[in-house]
Amino acid sequence: NAGVTQTPKFRVLKTGQSMTLLCAQDMNHEYMYWYRQDPGMGLRLIHYSVGEGTTAKGEVPDGYNVSRLKKQNFLLGLESAAPSQTSVYFCASSPRKVRLSGQETQYFGPGTRLLVL
Amino acid sequence: GQNIDQPTEMTATEGAIVQINCTYQTSGFNGLFWYQQHAGEAPTFLSYNVLDGLEEKGRFSSFLSRSKGYSYLLLKELQMKDSASYLCARAGNNRKLIWGLGTSLAVNP
Repeated sequence: NAGVTQTPKFRVLKTGQSMTLLCAQDMNHEYMYWYRQDPGMGLRLIHYSVGEGTTAKGEVPDGYNVSRLKKQNFLLGLESAAPSQTSVYFCASSPRKVRLSGQETQYFGPGTRLLVL
Repeated sequence: GQNIDQPTEMTATEGAIVQINCTYQTSGFNGLFWYQQHAGEAPTFLSYNVLDGLEEKGRFSSFLSRSKGYSYLLLKELQMKDSASYLCARAGNNRKLIWGLGTSLAVNP
């Protein structure tokens, strides 16, 4: 199993350009998440999905769109990139509930480093 | 709010023991995660506590007190490779986690 993979690993954009970040998982997980991580801000949830065909807003959704057309893939789109979107983006996935109590573990991809000039 | 509080930085010596504390809001609590994140890498899962008490996994242990809204991560026999950021994350009643800002641990020889 490759686990959670992300492409690209690194990208430089100019302000106003668009791009799509791809997250793929081969663990048959139901839930997928997109986070951004910035110094002094911690991990912040952008959007998430509780299953194929569903998406929901997280803590910082503005300027981003997502799609979950296939269970194994979760795409994050930037329609018009801004310098404030310079960050490290992490995708994560977790399985349907199997624990008797509590919540399932989230497993992270390696991250995408995005620089917007 | 749903604040997670943990120290920003800690320093320890190779071979020693270090305890990293985390406090959180207790309402709607559904478990507490600890992750490790090396510089430039992704967070990796270390431990999960949903019931009170101590969970031991080799050199790492995690403790939870639900009534106090308190957890700690205990690292024994510190190694240089343990230098990393340690993230505390609280689970609520949905599928989302609330993350602390992380504790940057430096292990010195």
